[in-house]
Amino acid sequence: QLQLQESGPGLVQPSKTLSLICTVSGGSMNMNTDYWVWIRQPPGKGLEWIGSLSYRGSTYYNPSLESRVAISADKPKMQFSLRLNSVTAADTAVYFCARLWYQVPLNWFDPWGQGILVTVSS
Amino acid sequence: QSVLTQPPSVSAAPRQRVTISCSGSSSNIGDNAVNWYQQLPGRAPTLLIYYDDLLPSGISDRFSGSKSGTSASLAINGLQSEDEADYYCASWDDRLNGWVFGGGTKLFVL
Repeated sequence: QLQLQESGPGLVQPSKTLSLICTVSGGSMNMNTDYWVWIRQPPGKGLEWIGSLSYRGSTYYNPSLESRVAISADKPKMQFSLRLNSVTAADTAVYFCARLWYQVPLNWFDPWGQGILVTVSS
Repeated sequence: QSVLTQPPSVSAAPRQRVTISCSGSSSNIGDNAVNWYQQLPGRAPTLLIYYDDLLPSGISDRFSGSKSGTSASLAINGLQSEDEADYYCASWDDRLNGWVFGGGTKLFVL
């Protein structure tokens, strides 16, 4: 059964780079139906898609974050990562990694990692 | 301001039926599948409905989804206390070229 787990620092200083890793277990990162995604949720607010990485390495980013974000994979380690630079307090959120299963016209985010709270503060 | 519009909260008594609406546009719900996610307090979201009205394996048939035009709905029959959670709709948006979520609806079971 596929499982995902986020890891990384829980506190990042303003203007610095937020870096998170998602470790995938119980499956493969090479299925052509799978995209690897990051989604965030500010405290008390709704969900926001950050970006997706295809099994071929193509990336797709939320236009509102595209200038600051990068998602990449280290398949031998069964990991994919998120980098978000020039962070501000508005980037404080619980960050989730998830698998997007996608085969037209079907798609869904499942499973999700448990999430990791990242606070941007000095 | 979320691209998909949901009511902030709904409430109903145990064993009653409740519906949650999700309003979008022709670039998202009108042209793409809608999925629904349940987020229990302090937990990650989980898939509840996919492709507008299909139930994943293991999901109770008390949950159902529907779509008409640029709006979708989630219905929960026979409400139980454990259904108290936040519910989110989601869809692909052709104009924004990305995934969009509703703002979420908190369900209170009275």
